[in-house]
Amino acid sequence: DAKTTQPPSMDCAEGRAANLPCNHSTISGNEYVYWYRQIHSQGPQYIIHGLKNNETNEMASLIITEDRKSSTLILPHATLRDTAVYYCIDLQTGANNLFFGTGTRLTVIP
Amino acid sequence: KAGVTQTPRYLIKTRGQQVTLSCSPISGHRSVSWYQQTPGQGLQFLFEYFSETQRNKGNFPGRFSGRQFSNSRSEMNVSTLELGDSALYLCASSLFRVVGGAEAFFGQGTRLTVV
Repeated sequence: DAKTTQPPSMDCAEGRAANLPCNHSTISGNEYVYWYRQIHSQGPQYIIHGLKNNETNEMASLIITEDRKSSTLILPHATLRDTAVYYCIDLQTGANNLFFGTGTRLTVIP
Repeated sequence: KAGVTQTPRYLIKTRGQQVTLSCSPISGHRSVSWYQQTPGQGLQFLFEYFSETQRNKGNFPGRFSGRQFSNSRSEMNVSTLELGDSALYLCASSLFRVVGGAEAFFGQGTRLTVV
């Protein structure tokens, strides 16, 4: 079963920052937090991952709380093409697969 | 560089038939994983291959099988198809095994319809 909890849906105005929360209260010290997104009719796309520190790349920023029980994915300037289902995954130690939960359906509104 | 290529993109089969799906990973990637996506169950892990060996398997019946070749290309096979096997089948490749922080790159998927 998924160990992460995400809101089922969110809206964001185009050009504004989209902040997608994720709770992973049972995460262990050596488990990573991964974010993927799936645009309709396409395969999932890797966004970012982190362990303890905040991370940033060309797509997004990942903010992980100090206790690591939650994180927030930030899309700094959402565009219509960012409309997708966003999955937060905690990668279990020794696991060799990604467990996708139900994700958050983000709709970017013009 | 070329992404993950899955063939065919669409497939229609009849109950009881078998089907083989193909996945060509990104050049240099050695790990290939397969996932099934349905509206009711979401994305579910089928199995992972690394260096031609199945390393991990999800909770699917034995009708679902796969293999990986020396060039890392992978095939999955479903025998005795059932209506419930209708789904989008996704292949993901990664440089290393996913554990340890390697991101996975997904193909566009093969949409299988069983009638």
